[in-house]
Amino acid sequence: KAGVTQTPRYLIKTRGQQVTLSCSPISGHRSVSWYQQTPGQGLQFLFEYFSETQRNKGNFPGRFSGRQFSNSRSEMNVSTLELGDSALYLCASSLAGQGPGTEAFFGQGTRLTVV
Amino acid sequence: AQSVTQLGSHVSVSEGALVLLRCNYSSSVPPYLFWYVQYPNQGLQLLLKYTSAATLVKGINGFEAEFKKSETSFHLTKPSAHMSDAAEYFCAVSPSTSGTYKYIFGTGTRLKVLA
Repeated sequence: KAGVTQTPRYLIKTRGQQVTLSCSPISGHRSVSWYQQTPGQGLQFLFEYFSETQRNKGNFPGRFSGRQFSNSRSEMNVSTLELGDSALYLCASSLAGQGPGTEAFFGQGTRLTVV
Repeated sequence: AQSVTQLGSHVSVSEGALVLLRCNYSSSVPPYLFWYVQYPNQGLQLLLKYTSAATLVKGINGFEAEFKKSETSFHLTKPSAHMSDAAEYFCAVSPSTSGTYKYIFGTGTRLKVLA
């Protein structure tokens, strides 16, 4: 069974640009969450999607957005990139409907560097 | 609001020695608790989870954790450290409200295993 796939693995962008990251969840998983990991702030929740609807949102500016498609694949977009957006972005999928104690399975992440 | 505190950002142990990584949580409702491990340039891998079924939880790679409500703790232990255990470990809490998969992570503990 394939795991969570995130593309691309590495990305370098310039300040002011926008970027789109992609996440393909484990087959059958309908919940997809996104996290930002930085040395200073640690792992922070961005948002969660379930059946193409955003169900939870973290405390990030509106420059961070996401969406989920009917096949559960998800994308997140960051517009007007800032140096502080440099981070490892992790996607996690869960088998929704099994209760909140269901574990999340993480992808390897996309390392975004803003220069 | 729920939160997780991991005491000790860096822990060093000798190979063969006991591993003890500390995690304390704050939650007004019974939480779901998780331990994840992250190897360099990788995503997070689930070690074990507590979902109220049993207070002593056994996970992969010889790790286990004990839920102590009176101490609001969920410390991770392994009787004998192996060089391959060197990684960063994250404790996480998920609210017990159904329908949400948002994790709140601790700041992580980097484990170093000395030969």
